[in-house]
Amino acid sequence: AQKITQTQPGMFVQEKEAVTLDCTYDTSDQSYGLFWYKQPSSGEMIFLIYQGSYDEQNATEGRYSLNFQKARKSANLVISASQLGDSAMYFCAMREGVNQAGTALIFGKGTTLSVSS
Amino acid sequence: NAGVTQTPKFRVLKTGQSMTLLCAQDMNHEYMYWYRQDPGMGLRLIHYSVGEGTTAKGEVPDGYNVSRLKKQNFLLGLESAAPSQTSVYFCASSYQYRVNGNQPQHFGDGTRLSIL
Repeated sequence: AQKITQTQPGMFVQEKEAVTLDCTYDTSDQSYGLFWYKQPSSGEMIFLIYQGSYDEQNATEGRYSLNFQKARKSANLVISASQLGDSAMYFCAMREGVNQAGTALIFGKGTTLSVSS
Repeated sequence: NAGVTQTPKFRVLKTGQSMTLLCAQDMNHEYMYWYRQDPGMGLRLIHYSVGEGTTAKGEVPDGYNVSRLKKQNFLLGLESAAPSQTSVYFCASSYQYRVNGNQPQHFGDGTRLSIL
């Protein structure tokens, strides 16, 4: 079974609109972390936002927020007021466990976001 | 602000050739990782290291070897390149893991490797 599921291969949105990118995860650990990364067409991986499993409030970073629903095991990324520069591939990732072996990230397959004017 | 630097950025190899990819980080991170990215597959962990002189296998380690002789460097070797190893390779680094701590991995720009 996939640990990280991103069900939307592609999303289309107009400038200034908000968009939600879906991510569900599967883990039996109590302590884990959830990350979102952006990969523009130039190829680099850019860290956007982090949510810890014990965090009671949803994480926010500027125009990015993470809608964390622990019981549903979902960690959706919300981008407010989309900009043309937001067009990119977005990856949801999880780090699970409390030992050193759990430090690596497990990635979803990604969602391509296209923002039009 | 160098961060994580990967060399080379592009390389074409013939089947059976060997090569080494170099990753260097200047953030004094304890942990380093090698991933590969294939179309439709996301990123998958090849090997990782939690400190100088230590390495461990990830999800897809076959055909690769790694070494971490210095804290700032993490080398990925292909012993005998195969077409199935055609991919984009990413190196990443992070601080030591803390429970519920925000230690994002910082990525290099990737190495695009083609095996003919």
